[in-house]
Amino acid sequence: NAGVMQNPRHLVRRRGQEARLRCSPMKGHSHVYWYRQLPEEGLKFMVYLQKENIIDESGMPKERFSAEFPKEGPSILRIQQVVRGDSAAYFCASSPYPGQGNGREQFFGPGTRLTVL
Amino acid sequence: AQSVAQPEDQVNVAEGNPLTVKCTYSVSGNPYLFWYVQYPNRGLQFLLKYITGDNLVKGSYGFEAEFNKSQTSFHLKKPSALVSDSALYFCAVTRRGEAAGNKLTFGGGTRVLVKP
Repeated sequence: NAGVMQNPRHLVRRRGQEARLRCSPMKGHSHVYWYRQLPEEGLKFMVYLQKENIIDESGMPKERFSAEFPKEGPSILRIQQVVRGDSAAYFCASSPYPGQGNGREQFFGPGTRLTVL
Repeated sequence: AQSVAQPEDQVNVAEGNPLTVKCTYSVSGNPYLFWYVQYPNRGLQFLLKYITGDNLVKGSYGFEAEFNKSQTSFHLKKPSALVSDSALYFCAVTRRGEAAGNKLTFGGGTRVLVKP
């Protein structure tokens, strides 16, 4: 059973370009979380999605950032018009169980390291 | 709002000695607490969690953690550290019944360096 897959592992963009990060959850998992890790900092929650639904996007910047988890295919985190401050590691995590917090641990992918020049 | 504090940026310990990584939390209601470890350029690996029951939780690689409700702490411990335990450790909390699934709030991380 493959773990959480993220691609690309490294992404370099120039200011103003778009960055598209992909996450394939573990098989059987229908819940995806995106976190951002700035250099020398902990992970910060961005968004929680189920298939075709955004459940909580309270941690996502209002502008330029969007996320989706379609019925088929991976979850996508999209950053439009990137700026240098967007440089960070973006981690995706998945979990199998629906509903409110039930203590199930999340399984993390290897992350995408975004560098904005 | 919930928060996690890891008061030590770095912990140095000699191989074979006990290792403790501190974590305190703040959450309304009952917490679920987690420890994750991150090796360089890798994602987070789950170590252990406290959900309910015994306050002493045993996890992977010989790690354990003790939940202390009165002190709102969840310190990570290992009786005898190995050089291979050198990594970045994160404590995380979520609230039982959190409407947003298991949305985790992480501490800032503690870097552990085990010297031979």
